[in-house]
Amino acid sequence: EAGVVQSPRYKIIEKKQPVAFWCNPISGHNTLYWYLQNLGQGPELLIRYENEEAVDDSQLPKDRFSAERLKGVDSTLKIQPAELGDSAVYLCASSLTGRTEAFFGQGTRLTVV
Amino acid sequence: AQSVTQPDIHITVSEGASLELRCNYSYGATPYLFWYVQSPGQGLQLLLKYFSGDTLVQGIKGFEAEFKRSQSSFNLRKPSVHWSDAAEYFCAVASGWDFGNEKLTFGTGTRLTIIP
Repeated sequence: EAGVVQSPRYKIIEKKQPVAFWCNPISGHNTLYWYLQNLGQGPELLIRYENEEAVDDSQLPKDRFSAERLKGVDSTLKIQPAELGDSAVYLCASSLTGRTEAFFGQGTRLTVV
Repeated sequence: AQSVTQPDIHITVSEGASLELRCNYSYGATPYLFWYVQSPGQGLQLLLKYFSGDTLVQGIKGFEAEFKRSQSSFNLRKPSVHWSDAAEYFCAVASGWDFGNEKLTFGTGTRLTIIP
């Protein structure tokens, strides 16, 4: 069974440019999470979806970050415009429900220059 | 608000030696506790979790952890480490496990180095 797939693995962009990350969760998983992991830190939740609905986006900086999960499957996370401080690893995870084990993708490492 | 403290940023252990990684949590109710491992360039993998019941939980790769409510701790142990155990280890607590309330709060991690 395929795991959580994220792309791209690495991205380098100039500040003020837009960037998008894509996540394909494990088939059948209804819950999808986006986490931000700064260097030397643990992951921090940005947004959590139950099917198509964003049920927890309290930590998402909505002035520049947006996310969507069309049809309750794949998800994209966008930053526009990117800032130097956005350099980090963006992790996607999925689980069958909000009560079951979350499986993580390999992450997208973003470098803003 | 819940929080997790991993007091050791970096630990070095000889191959074959025993290991204990410390984790302390702060949460008012019954916590749901987890240990994840992250190898370089990889996502996080769940090692074990504690929801209720037996306070000593067994996980994958020969790891175990013990929940001690009186000490607010959930330390991870392994009797004999292998070179492949070198990675970053994260302790996490969930605020609840009801629909709409599940949220993992991670510690800052402990980097484990194994020397021959």
